[in-house]
Amino acid sequence: NAGVTQTPKFRILKIGQSMTLQCTQDMNHNYMYWYRQDPGMGLKLIYYSVGAGITDKGEVPNGYNVSRSTTEDFPLRLELAAPSQTSVYFCASSSPGQGDREQFFGPGTRLTVL
Amino acid sequence: TQLLEQSPQFLSIQEGENLTVYCNSSSVFSSLQWYRQEPGEGPVLLVTVVTGGEVKKLKRLTFQFGDARKDSSLHITAAQPGDTGLYLCAGAFGNEKLTFGTGTRLTIIP
Repeated sequence: NAGVTQTPKFRILKIGQSMTLQCTQDMNHNYMYWYRQDPGMGLKLIYYSVGAGITDKGEVPNGYNVSRSTTEDFPLRLELAAPSQTSVYFCASSSPGQGDREQFFGPGTRLTVL
Repeated sequence: TQLLEQSPQFLSIQEGENLTVYCNSSSVFSSLQWYRQEPGEGPVLLVTVVTGGEVKKLKRLTFQFGDARKDSSLHITAAQPGDTGLYLCAGAFGNEKLTFGTGTRLTIIP
């Protein structure tokens, strides 16, 4: 199993450009999450999904959009990139009711907006 | 917004020493997790604690959940260079969403 995969690993955007960060999991998890991690900080929840067709805002959703058309995929869209969106983005998945409620994380996408 | 504060923010100690890091909140958790994150990677779960007063051991790591379920600690005995990393606590408040703490960056000097 590959677990949670994210692409790209690195990306540099100019202000105002748009891009989609891809996330795929092969564990058949219903729950998926997008976090951002700023230097030296913990993770902040951007959006999450409890199943295909269902998404909800997290703590810092402004400037982002998501969709969940399949169980496996949970892409994150940045429409008008701003320097404040420079960060490392992590996708995670989990299975509701699983004993220890573990979230499995991808390796991250490092995004710089100049 | 529930806040989880971790202390210390940075800790650098010699190999073989003991250390404790803390995670505190003014809110009651339904469960609390500790993750370790290494550079360039995503966090990896170490433990989940659910019951107030619960103590769990993972080799040289001891995790304790406060009686009131508002705080937690991680104690490492005889630290080794492989323990180096960013330690994150994460609290659940009744649903599947987690709120992450600010993190403790631990460096073990050989």
